[in-house]
This record gives sequence, structure tokens and C-alpha cells, in this order.
Amino acid sequence: AQSVTQLGSHVSVSEGALVLLRCNYSSSVPPYLFWYVQYPNQGLQLLLKYTSAATLVKGINGFEAEFKKSETSFHLTKPSAHMSDAAEYFCAVTRGTGSARQLTFGSGTQLTVLP
Amino acid sequence: DAGVIQSPRHEVTEMGQEVTLRCKPISGHNSLFWYRQTMMRGLELLIYFNNNVPIDDSGMPEDRFSAKMPNASFSTLKIQPSEPRDSAVYFCASSSDSIEAFFGQGTRLTVV
Repeated sequence: AQSVTQLGSHVSVSEGALVLLRCNYSSSVPPYLFWYVQYPNQGLQLLLKYTSAATLVKGINGFEAEFKKSETSFHLTKPSAHMSDAAEYFCAVTRGTGSARQLTFGSGTQLTVLP
Repeated sequence: DAGVIQSPRHEVTEMGQEVTLRCKPISGHNSLFWYRQTMMRGLELLIYFNNNVPIDDSGMPEDRFSAKMPNASFSTLKIQPSEPRDSAVYFCASSSDSIEAFFGQGTRLTVV
């Protein structure tokens, strides 16, 4: 079975500071990994995805994530936080194979950006 | 493309009433997912369709919940009878390759 664990349900950073949101996965096969962002009263929007190509993945809004197989991690980073980054972030992993692939989400991390 | 379209955006109903949530996936996508989001349980996959066929409904909480996909452009999630504990945000998502999912704006359901 595949799953993801997000460390820290709430993270606060100052505007301009580094953003680091942690995600660890468990998977018996090479996974596909994703980060989604959810703004208040909105659906989930894909930030970036890892599909076994480059281990450093760049996404939208200046975010990136690095797949580290040895650490089973896929942490999300951004060098300098903006107020507009305040949202909830979800790490996700695919479950199943072929047409049965399904996303399994972590519990989410609420990011607060302080002025 | 307009993206995944869900209706209604908000629904308030009384306990015991039937509720129907609707979803129009992105044209050309062959996979459709229904998720429920609550503070207590986070995002839960309820059911997954591929080519209009239900593949996995193990996440459907109980028999009061049912989902259909009569064609490639429409799906419904029905709750009958509804209960207060069904209050949540319900998301529909679609995918063209079962890898990346595109989400709708969600339906916020309140059962009083």
C-alpha cells in the first residue's frame, strides 16, 4: 500500500523567508508524487509532480521539490515566501497501476505567511 | 477549457432529504474521482470511475451514498437519506491518464 505523511499540520514563516514543507512517502513500487495547493474556498490546484524523470521538479509560483529515494522524501520548498503563498498544501502519491491509479493524499499542511 | 465543473457550489438541506451533487469532467478525460474533505478526516477518495465504469467504490461510507456516470461528460453523487455527519466539501476530479487529477471547485454540503 502507498501512503504519504506530511510532517507539521501548521507551518508559519515570515515574508521573504524560506518555505519548507515536509512529505515522506511509503511505496512498494516507484511512485508518482504530487504537491497540490488549496486556497480558501477553492479546489485543489497542482503545484508540481514527480513521474520518475528528473529528481528535482520545478512547479508553479516558484515552488520546487526534490525526490530523494534514500530518504523516501518529497519535500516542497520555495526560497522566498510571499503573502499570497498562504494556503493549505497537500502531498499525494498514486496508488495502484495502469488505469487503477488513484491519488492518496496526506493530511495537509496549512502555511501561514507573516508580514 | 472550463475545467471540472461542479454544481451546486453550496447546498443546505435538512436531515433525511435526498441530495444530488453533479460533476462535468474535462472533455476527453477518461477517469473521474469523487473526494470528500472534512476537518477530521481530510481528503478521502469515495469512488473512482474509468471509462464510465466504477473501478473502486471502497471509500463510499455506506449504502446511503451512490454514484453514477451515465456518460463521459456527467457524473452524480447521491446521498439518500442525508445526515448531519455528511456535511463536508465534496470534490470531483478528472484525469486523462489516471496520473494527474484536475479538481473542481467543490460543493459545500451542510445537512441540518
